[in-house]
Amino acid sequence: DVVMTQSPLSLPVTLGQAASFSCKSSQSLVHSDGNIYLHWFQQRPGQSPRRLIYKVSNRDSGVPDRFSGSGSDTDFTLNISRVEAEDVGIYYCAQCTHWPPYTFGQGTKLEIK
Amino acid sequence: EMQLVESGGGLVQPGGSLRLSCAASGFSFSRAWMHWVRQAPGKGLEWVSVIKSDGRDTSYADSVKGRFTVSRDNAKNTVYLQMNSLRVEDTAVYYCASDGVRVEFSAFDIWGQGAMVTVSS
Repeated sequence: DVVMTQSPLSLPVTLGQAASFSCKSSQSLVHSDGNIYLHWFQQRPGQSPRRLIYKVSNRDSGVPDRFSGSGSDTDFTLNISRVEAEDVGIYYCAQCTHWPPYTFGQGTKLEIK
Repeated sequence: EMQLVESGGGLVQPGGSLRLSCAASGFSFSRAWMHWVRQAPGKGLEWVSVIKSDGRDTSYADSVKGRFTVSRDNAKNTVYLQMNSLRVEDTAVYYCASDGVRVEFSAFDIWGQGAMVTVSS
């Protein structure tokens, strides 16, 4: 199984400042079709998860452009350019290249300083 | 509006059974793969199962294989998760999530609100 490791586990950020989330996989996530099926999700307190980014760097519909994703092979990053209060929650990465099983990282909790 | 609504959660004793349902609306359900993902209290997300669009192919996490069965009724726009031989460690919020609705070949694009399953004596 592919193990997804996120860091840090907790990320205190000042409003208006940038935030960066790391996600590393135990093996390359490049699919035989050339795509990388690495997605990012946000889970606000008390809510269901919501996908923000699909295939490394593509924003889902309605996601603010302050969210961006990057990376390749085994190393991926989610960035928030200017953190807002509504961004508080837990952020998960997930790999959908090598399945079953689909695997999620353990999550990074974003909080406001 | 694209929507998934789970139902059927509740309290069950260890060894018991429960069936979850997930009703879809606002998109072409019969073309979408469907997943179940669970989240134990205070924990992260764990993928449970997937069923392809025609219902013929399914896959499961090792933790539920042989105990859980996923199925779908495309005429009713509904996916099901039959859970047998439940264990205390199956206690979690169970989410259904679609695959390939917003973007082809991209999993977990729409999520339901979740159904709480508590296994306890």
